[in-house]
Amino acid sequence: EIVLTQSPGTLSLSPGERATLSCRASQSVSSSSLAWYQQKPGQAPRLLIHGASYRATGIPDRFSGSGSGTDFTLTISRLEPEDFAVYYCQRYDSSPLWAFGPGTKVEIK
Amino acid sequence: QVTLKESGPALVKPTQTLTLTCTFSGFSLTTSGMRVNWIRQPPGKAPEWLARIDWDGDRFYSTSLKTRLSISKDTSKNQVVLTMTNMDPVDTATYYCARLGIPGTYFDYWGQGTLVTVSS
Repeated sequence: EIVLTQSPGTLSLSPGERATLSCRASQSVSSSSLAWYQQKPGQAPRLLIHGASYRATGIPDRFSGSGSGTDFTLTISRLEPEDFAVYYCQRYDSSPLWAFGPGTKVEIK
Repeated sequence: QVTLKESGPALVKPTQTLTLTCTFSGFSLTTSGMRVNWIRQPPGKAPEWLARIDWDGDRFYSTSLKTRLSISKDTSKNQVVLTMTNMDPVDTATYYCARLGIPGTYFDYWGQGTLVTVSS
């Protein structure tokens, strides 16, 4: 089973700053199988990035994804007030077919 | 516009069976490539995939929970139903239904979720 770890657990930043979130897989993951989601309190996860680097429909271009193999990154170029949330990476592979990382909380400093 | 909405009991007792319904619109589960999933999220934890049903009736379950899960569909009502037997307090979570994107690797639309608490 491929396990995802995310770091840091919590990222304390100010609006306007750049956020860099890491997702590491225990084994190599196909880039096409890596996605990122944003979740705000009381809401469902929202798809941000699929295929490691493709923004989902309606996602602002300040969000970008990169990486390959075992190391993937979500970057928010300039944090807006609405970007403070929890971010999850997710992979598709063998059982369990879809699995999520533990999440990174981006909080206001 | 794709929407999904979960419904079911907010509280179940240990050992009872949970039945949740996902009612969706904006797509049809008779269309090739359409797939609906159930995902749960315990408070403060990451989401966990549970089950999936496809347009052609294929079903897939989480290995760790497959003995307790059953997923079905009613295409005339645009509904997908999940049952989970022998509920335990550790099953307390928000349960979501979500559509799988066409490549099959990510979830593109989610319902709002329904919180299920397991307690006597």
